[in-house]
Amino acid sequence: AQSVAQPEDQVNVAEGNPLTVKCTYSVSGNPYLFWYVQYPNRGLQFLLKYITGDNLVKGSYGFEAEFNKSQTSFHLKKPSALVSDSALYFCAVRDLNDYKLSFGAGTTVTVRA
Amino acid sequence: SQTIHQWPATLVQPVGSPLSLECTVEGTSNPNLYWYRQAAGRGLQLLFYSVGIGQISSEVPQNLSASRPQDRQFILSSKKLLLSDSGFYLCAWSVRGGGTEAFFGQGTRLTVV
Repeated sequence: AQSVAQPEDQVNVAEGNPLTVKCTYSVSGNPYLFWYVQYPNRGLQFLLKYITGDNLVKGSYGFEAEFNKSQTSFHLKKPSALVSDSALYFCAVRDLNDYKLSFGAGTTVTVRA
Repeated sequence: SQTIHQWPATLVQPVGSPLSLECTVEGTSNPNLYWYRQAAGRGLQLLFYSVGIGQISSEVPQNLSASRPQDRQFILSSKKLLLSDSGFYLCAWSVRGGGTEAFFGQGTRLTVV
């Protein structure tokens, strides 16, 4: 079975400060990891993914994420947050041998001006 | 380029009425297809996924069913809606095979009254 945990329901940061959204995962094999963002009443937008290779992956809108196999984590980061980054963020995992994509509960990010 | 269409955007249905939500994908062949439900703007629950025509896997026993009559068409149905079926329904697709991200439609807001 595969699962994802996002331990923080909410993250609040000031504009210009670094942003981190935490994610830990559990899979039986090698993980494929993803981050998505959702704006109100909209579908999910893909931000970035880790498949293999470098542990630091870069994605859209200045976001990056670091894969840590020993800690089974895949935290999302942005060096300098913008007010427009305020949204709901989802971490997701897929096992190498599975078609299912499992999502965490989501973290609401609020960036204050 | 690939696009995913999901309709309607909003739907208000009485308890006991039938439901049919449709999702189509353009610009790709043999996609994996998914139906998710999101309750109260939070976590996503995988309802069904399909790896081919007529092949449907159900994740959660419920009042809903899914069908895939054509390669790029995925339909979510119910014979009789319950109040608990209210939510935000999201269709998604991914490239056949593992390791790729899923792309989401814009969602359908279903309210059962």
